[in-house]
Amino acid sequence: GQSLEQPSEVTAVEGAIVQINCTYQTSGFYGLSWYQQHDGGAPTFLSYNALDGLEETGRFSSFLSRSDSYGYLLLQELQMKDSASYFCAVNAGNMLTFGGGTRLMVKP
Amino acid sequence: KAGVTQTPRYLIKTRGQQVTLSCSPISGHRSVSWYQQTPGQGLQFLFEYFSETQRNKGNFPGRFSGRQFSNSRSEMNVSTLELGDSALYLCASSLDSSPGTEAFFGQGTRLTVV
Repeated sequence: GQSLEQPSEVTAVEGAIVQINCTYQTSGFYGLSWYQQHDGGAPTFLSYNALDGLEETGRFSSFLSRSDSYGYLLLQELQMKDSASYFCAVNAGNMLTFGGGTRLMVKP
Repeated sequence: KAGVTQTPRYLIKTRGQQVTLSCSPISGHRSVSWYQQTPGQGLQFLFEYFSETQRNKGNFPGRFSGRQFSNSRSEMNVSTLELGDSALYLCASSLDSSPGTEAFFGQGTRLTVV
């Protein structure tokens, strides 16, 4: 089976940096994805890591350590619009298994 | 280009009834997956279709079924509805099913079972 753990809530101030961690246990693993979901909206893809290391896309970066079954999403220069839920997801074959989501609240 | 379209957006059904939800993927996408989202259980995988074949199924009872048509449009059906089936049902389409391929989600169908 698959299980993913991530914090349920994180609060940060505008302009700050926040890191959302994700640990996983899985019987099959191709990579780790991150999705963002605003209240009432659809999840949208942020990043995918198949190999160890850091992937950077603008203000967002994602890291993976396969040996530690661990990854994180790093959000820099936080903006109010970044307030949303963030999900890590394990790619195993042709399905995504999602973590419970981290609700990020950005305060002015 | 048009995104993933799910219909209807909202649905209210009575226990014991059955329901069919529809998903039109992005043009050219051949993989369609379905997820159930609830506050308590988060996003849970239901099934995935590729070229009309179900290739993977999540841990849901047989009351949940789906199919995909030759134009890649997909439907999911839930029979004998239970109160616990109340959820947001999300459909996601991908160009293919290679790991890491971006999944594009629709706005979902919010199903309420009373």
